[in-house]
Amino acid sequence: EDQVTQSPEALRLQEGESSSLNCSYTVSGLRGLFWYRQDPGKGPEFLFTLYSAGEEKEKERLKATLTKKESFLHITAPKPEDSATYLCAVQAGYKLSFGAGTTVTVRA
Amino acid sequence: DGGITQSPKYLFRKEGQNVTLSCEQNLNHDAMYWYRQDPGQGLRLIYYSQIVNDFQKGDIAEGYSVSREKKESFPLTVTSAQKNPTAFYLCASSGTGGSYNEQFFGPGTRLTVL
Repeated sequence: EDQVTQSPEALRLQEGESSSLNCSYTVSGLRGLFWYRQDPGKGPEFLFTLYSAGEEKEKERLKATLTKKESFLHITAPKPEDSATYLCAVQAGYKLSFGAGTTVTVRA
Repeated sequence: DGGITQSPKYLFRKEGQNVTLSCEQNLNHDAMYWYRQDPGQGLRLIYYSQIVNDFQKGDIAEGYSVSREKKESFPLTVTSAQKNPTAFYLCASSGTGGSYNEQFFGPGTRLTVL
């Protein structure tokens, strides 16, 4: 059974304090690893897709990396508007399996 | 603008009542999905459809039903057989060309049982 574990569950940062979120996974036949951002009461917003170990993607202050067992989402010099829950999901076949998410709070 | 719409935003259900959640997309995507989100848990797949007039059960299909009569629409019915329906419901869609297809989500419907 596919498993996705995200850590930590919650992360409180000061504005400008860089940090990383972890997504570890076990899946048979990884077809893609996805990162989403979700604001309270809203649907997830797509951020990145990573396909193979060693791949990296960047968008503004976010950078996602992938190894054979885990992915990291690095947040560089975060701002209060980066506060959200970040979800990781892995795809095997047509199905996505999601982790429970990491809730990031950035204080000004 | 292309996107996914869900209605209503909030829905209240009485015990023993069936309710239907609407999901419409204008992204010309072939595949559509329904997920349930509960606090502290990852999204769980209820049903998915890769093509019109065809759909498959996900991990937690009991107490739910769907139809896919049009490419743009994938309504979800929460039946009285679903014992704990209070949750946040999310609809998503994706293309099916190629092996890797990002899923794009609607704004969600929050269902509360009174």
